[in-house]
Amino acid sequence: GAVVSQHPSWVICKSGTSVKIECRSLDFQATTMFWYRQFPKQSLMLMATSNEGSKATYEQGVEKDKFLINHASLTLSTLTVTSAHPEDSSFYICSARGSFGSNTGELFFGEGSRLTVL
Amino acid sequence: GENVEQHPSTLSVQEGDSAVIKCTYSDSASNYFPWYKQELGKRPQLIIDIRSNVGEKKDQRIAVTLNKTAKHFSLHITETQPEDSAVYFCAASMAGFQKLVFGTGTRLLVSP
Repeated sequence: GAVVSQHPSWVICKSGTSVKIECRSLDFQATTMFWYRQFPKQSLMLMATSNEGSKATYEQGVEKDKFLINHASLTLSTLTVTSAHPEDSSFYICSARGSFGSNTGELFFGEGSRLTVL
Repeated sequence: GENVEQHPSTLSVQEGDSAVIKCTYSDSASNYFPWYKQELGKRPQLIIDIRSNVGEKKDQRIAVTLNKTAKHFSLHITETQPEDSAVYFCAASMAGFQKLVFGTGTRLLVSP
């Protein structure tokens, strides 16, 4: 299957700093990427849909100025958590849907990034 | 928007037993229903999926059934093994394979 790589896998930062998480599709072009957030023992909550070359679409309740998403190429989307606070501590996972083959609809997930804000 | 409910939240079975997880969805336009398995601290892995033009799909010990009229779908795992222990998520997606909306998850524990 297709490979999605996410970096960093974990990060610890001080309150008030910004953190950037990268999501790359390694062997296919991802026209659309999705960013999810997962709190411990909870489900994956969609934060935003990232489309290459256009603005991301944010889900209701997600602050676009706090969670900056950039999808500058067909293989890279980034999520920047600006002015992070302890309540932003979570597991952030990206996923990608490619534009290859017959488009089965399957999403390929990155490894996830665990953010801890002190 | 779409809302997906999943139950039970936890399920404990003995090795060799069957396990069934059920999900309901709200949007009749949804037509793609995948199931993911997530081990602790790892990414979700697709284990099986079904589209609305199919009522049942099977892959070895795993099967999924879909009832479009009732808007519910289920995951069936037979002959469970300890390595099946994980959190399972159902999801639903609308036509054009847009965003997936996930269920709340089921923690499956298979005891030897």
